[in-house]
Amino acid sequence: NAGVTQTPKFRVLKTGQSMTLLCAQDMNHEYMYWYRQDPGMGLRLIHYSVGEGTTAKGEVPDGYNVSRLKKQNFLLGLESAAPSQTSVYFCASTYARTGGNTEAFFGQGTRLTVV
Amino acid sequence: AQKITQTQPGMFVQEKEAVTLDCTYDTSDPSYGLFWYKQPSSGEMIFLIYQGSYDQQNATEGRYSLNFQKARKSANLVISASQLGDSAMYFCAMPLPGATNKLIFGTGTLLAVQP
Repeated sequence: NAGVTQTPKFRVLKTGQSMTLLCAQDMNHEYMYWYRQDPGMGLRLIHYSVGEGTTAKGEVPDGYNVSRLKKQNFLLGLESAAPSQTSVYFCASTYARTGGNTEAFFGQGTRLTVV
Repeated sequence: AQKITQTQPGMFVQEKEAVTLDCTYDTSDPSYGLFWYKQPSSGEMIFLIYQGSYDQQNATEGRYSLNFQKARKSANLVISASQLGDSAMYFCAMPLPGATNKLIFGTGTLLAVQP
């Protein structure tokens, strides 16, 4: 089982460049999320989606855009990368059921460096 | 507002001993859950254990157990018989209110198991 797959795993960007991170899940999950992880700050939610064609802002959405054109894919875009966006990015997904053990399944992470 | 606090940035434990990782939370939601995730040096996020606020007994999963004290708003992770492979970052997390399963995370505790 692939679970949640992120591509790429590593990337170095120059300031001002753009890129798209791809997240794919094969568990038929309705909900998908993008988090970023920075030292000493845990994971923070960037954007999320509760279904195909829907997206919403999380805690730290500025500088990012997302799209959920297909249920299994959730794309995170950086239009003009900045050094402050150097981070490790995690995609996650869950079932639509709320309450109880709604375990989030995570991708392996993407380490992005903006120079 | 929801908040998760992990006050131990780092901890050491001797192999085969038990260790408790602290997590306190603040929420106004009458029904909530607490998750613990492990992040080894390889970077992936691994689900360990879940406890719901209305669960009558503390959750256990193999060597992991939750010391859930609702009145004190704490959900400490207890790892029994520590192994070298337990060396990792550990995060406590809680879903935000609303039917989205969005998680907020603590800042994590880095556990080092010594032989």
